[in-house]
Amino acid sequence: AQKVTQAQTEISVVEKEDVTLDCVYETRDTTYYLFWYKQPPSGELVFLIRRNSFDEQNEISGRYSWNFQKSTSSFNFTITASQVVDSAVYFCALRINTNAGKSTFGDGTTLTVKP
Amino acid sequence: NAGVMQNPRHLVRRRGQEARLRCSPVKGHSHVYWYRQLPEEGLKFMVYLQKENIIDESGMPKERFSAEFPKEGPSILRIQQVVRGDSAAYFCASSPGWDTGELFFGEGSRLTVL
Repeated sequence: AQKVTQAQTEISVVEKEDVTLDCVYETRDTTYYLFWYKQPPSGELVFLIRRNSFDEQNEISGRYSWNFQKSTSSFNFTITASQVVDSAVYFCALRINTNAGKSTFGDGTTLTVKP
Repeated sequence: NAGVMQNPRHLVRRRGQEARLRCSPVKGHSHVYWYRQLPEEGLKFMVYLQKENIIDESGMPKERFSAEFPKEGPSILRIQQVVRGDSAAYFCASSPGWDTGELFFGEGSRLTVL
């Protein structure tokens, strides 16, 4: 069975601080995808990134960066110089290749960025 | 270039009534998924459908819930005889194939049962 753990339920930072959201996953499959989604107060789910299990390269996109480490089964997400608009719930998700569509989501981390 | 369209966005039902939630996938996508998000929780998989077929319904409650994705028209998630515990946000997602990684999500339908 698959499992995604986001140990941080809530994080509060002040604008311009850097913040890292943790994600630890469990799977016995060797082929899988990892995702991060953002859910702003308006409620929709916004796709942020997809990473497959064979690609451990870290990725940077503007103020966002992701650190994928298979050795520790972690896929952490860092926001640099946070802004108030980053306030949202962030979900990490896992999808194994043989279980099409059935993504397993963590319970989310609520990030509040204060001005 | 419409994304996944869900309606209604908000639905209020009294206990015992029926709720029907509709989902039109991204044009060209033939795979549809329904997820439920209870308050303060993450998303939980409910069902995966292709046109006219239910592929995986392992996350669906055994009673009162059903889903379909007909040859023509949107996918429908139907909840009969709703109870207060059904109050949640129901998200639909689509993908062009089973082995593509990313799911494209709709904005969700929020069901409130009084």
